Amino acid sequence: EIVLTQSPGTLSLSPGERGSLSCRASQSLSSNSLAWYQQKPGQAPRLLIYDAARRATGIPDRFSGSGSGTDFTLTISRLDPEDVAVYFCQQYGNSPLTFGGGTKVEIK
Amino acid sequence: QVQLVQSGADVKKPGASVKVSCKASGYSFTRHYLHWVRQAPGQGLEWMGIINPVSGTTRFAQKFQGRVTMTRDTSTSTVSMELYSLRSEDTAIYYCARDLGGTGNDPFDHWGQGTLVTVSS
Repeated sequence: EIVLTQSPGTLSLSPGERGSLSCRASQSLSSNSLAWYQQKPGQAPRLLIYDAARRATGIPDRFSGSGSGTDFTLTISRLDPEDVAVYFCQQYGNSPLTFGGGTKVEIK
Repeated sequence: QVQLVQSGADVKKPGASVKVSCKASGYSFTRHYLHWVRQAPGQGLEWMGIINPVSGTTRFAQKFQGRVTMTRDTSTSTVSMELYSLRSEDTAIYYCARDLGGTGNDPFDHWGQGTLVTVSS
């Protein structure tokens, strides 16, 4: 099973500030099969990024993904208050599909 | 628009079983695999398994092997997940989610609203 480790646990940012979230895999991901999800309280997760760097439909361009192999990053270029949420990474290239433990993004 | 509408919250006693349904609409049901994911209170996401809507073939996380079944009804565009021998640790929100690419090895582009299952004596 591929283990995904996310850091930091909590990220405190001021509105308009740039932030980076990390996701490290225990082994190299085939075809960069990594996705990022945003989950707000009381809601289902929402797909933001897939294939490590492709934005999902309707996702603002302030969200971007990068990385390959075992190290991946989600960047929020300018934090908007509506971005307060927990962010999860997921690998979908190997069974069982697995998720990281999440990074909570809050307003400083 | 694509919608996945799940059945309502349920309370079960330890040892019982629970069945959660997920009705799909707004797309061709047989073109996308469907997954089940759960989230314990305040915790992360855990993948349970996947069902091929055409063949009904399933694949489960080893943790749930022998304790879960997933079925589909193409006439109503509905998938169901049944979990047996419930214990308190199974208290969670259960989500169905659609596979983006239709291969079973893709991310999840649409999610149901979630179904809270509480296991308590």
